Amino acid sequence: DTEVTQTPKHLVMGMTNKKSLKCEQHMGHRAMYWYKQKAKKPPELMFVYSYEKLSINESVPSRFSPECPNSSLLNLHLHALQPEDSALYLCASSQVGVRELFFGEGSRLTVL
Amino acid sequence: QKEVEQNSGPLSVPEGAIASLNCTYSDRVSQSFFWYRQYSGKSPELIMSIYSNGDKEDGRFTAQLNKASQYVSLLIRESQPSDSATYLCAVNNFGNEKLTFGTGTRLTIIP
Repeated sequence: DTEVTQTPKHLVMGMTNKKSLKCEQHMGHRAMYWYKQKAKKPPELMFVYSYEKLSINESVPSRFSPECPNSSLLNLHLHALQPEDSALYLCASSQVGVRELFFGEGSRLTVL
Repeated sequence: QKEVEQNSGPLSVPEGAIASLNCTYSDRVSQSFFWYRQYSGKSPELIMSIYSNGDKEDGRFTAQLNKASQYVSLLIRESQPSDSATYLCAVNNFGNEKLTFGTGTRLTIIP
């Protein structure tokens, strides 16, 4: 069973739409991450939450808005995206201070 | 110089042979090292972590770390077609929440 669950698995949206990606982990971890991965490239860090507080924002455009409602949930709100934002969005979790990341299956986003 | 470098491949290895994947890193204070396997269209999966110089074995996988030479490697023994994937090396510094990934090596096991 996947202990980091992401929904939806696929999302197609227009540039004017507002949508959200959701992530839930059942590993008891207190650090959660959003990564973006383009084809044939490594994952790129977007945001890190530690103890439900935003600790890293890798200069991500404001059209991406993260939210961590509690220690198990992580959302990524999407608004006014561009076609170049099409990618695989990966959620991950870990123990704080330990960088063994456990990834969800990802949400494949297509922006038309 | 890139922070974490890997040969992008593709690396082709006959089934049953040993696959050797290499990774070098530039920051001498790096302390934690990880190997992730990523199948095409799937998410990365952690297969090995190593923190101290030397070898660490887990089943058919052996991670090797040499901090003096700033390299980390992954050996896959008795390679199988199911080992065909992209292998990502990742490096972390103590107290830094950011994990730095290499560009990955695409491995193909030839039956």
